[in-house]
Amino acid sequence: QVQLVESGGGVVQPGRSLRLSCAASGFTFSTYGMHWVRQAPGKGLEWVAVIWYDGSKEYYAYSVEGRFTISRDSSKNTLYLQMNSLRAEDTAVYYCARDVWSSGGYFFDTWGQGTLVTVSS
Amino acid sequence: EIVLTQSPGTLSLSPGERATLSCRASQSVSSSYLVWYQQKIGQAPRLLIYGASSRATGIPDRFSGSGSGTDFTLTISRLEPEDFAVYYCQQYGMSQHTFGQGTKLEIK
Repeated sequence: QVQLVESGGGVVQPGRSLRLSCAASGFTFSTYGMHWVRQAPGKGLEWVAVIWYDGSKEYYAYSVEGRFTISRDSSKNTLYLQMNSLRAEDTAVYYCARDVWSSGGYFFDTWGQGTLVTVSS
Repeated sequence: EIVLTQSPGTLSLSPGERATLSCRASQSVSSSYLVWYQQKIGQAPRLLIYGASSRATGIPDRFSGSGSGTDFTLTISRLEPEDFAVYYCQQYGMSQHTFGQGTKLEIK
């Protein structure tokens, strides 16, 4: 079945770096755009970044642009999020999600279970 | 950046009642790019409605979406116990995705 599994979360000091991974299975990874969405504790959802199906384009939320980098390795069916210069406000559960473009719309149809990143000294 | 404002923040209703959740955009949104998700505590979001009014696979027909331009609505016709959760609207525009702050639907 279609599945996304995130890993790589943990506790990290402010200013340090962390890389998250999202392993995809059950579908042809190289044909879907992929996103990262985060949720701070007790708060709502915040879109973080997208990478096109072929890796040709990336877009970021203004809050992370210049600090985070999204990438993908289709040979490993894996999505990544490199997070640099981390701040306390980056503390959140990070979800990866698959997007679907159709005649009916553009939406995230599959989500992982999330991985918690805590930025604290 | 388009800002989505959801109302009410919390909605207290009983099973069997009708729920009406609002999502208002700071500027016009293409209906194709307006989406609703449901999130239960400790779980990832779940796709409910896409294209403002199309139900996702497996979503019961008591869920419906409507609206256009800057005003969108999610309606749950007869609440079931499993419907009590947080609901988010989301839009895509100018290479950015934004979510509303969520409406918590709680049991009265």
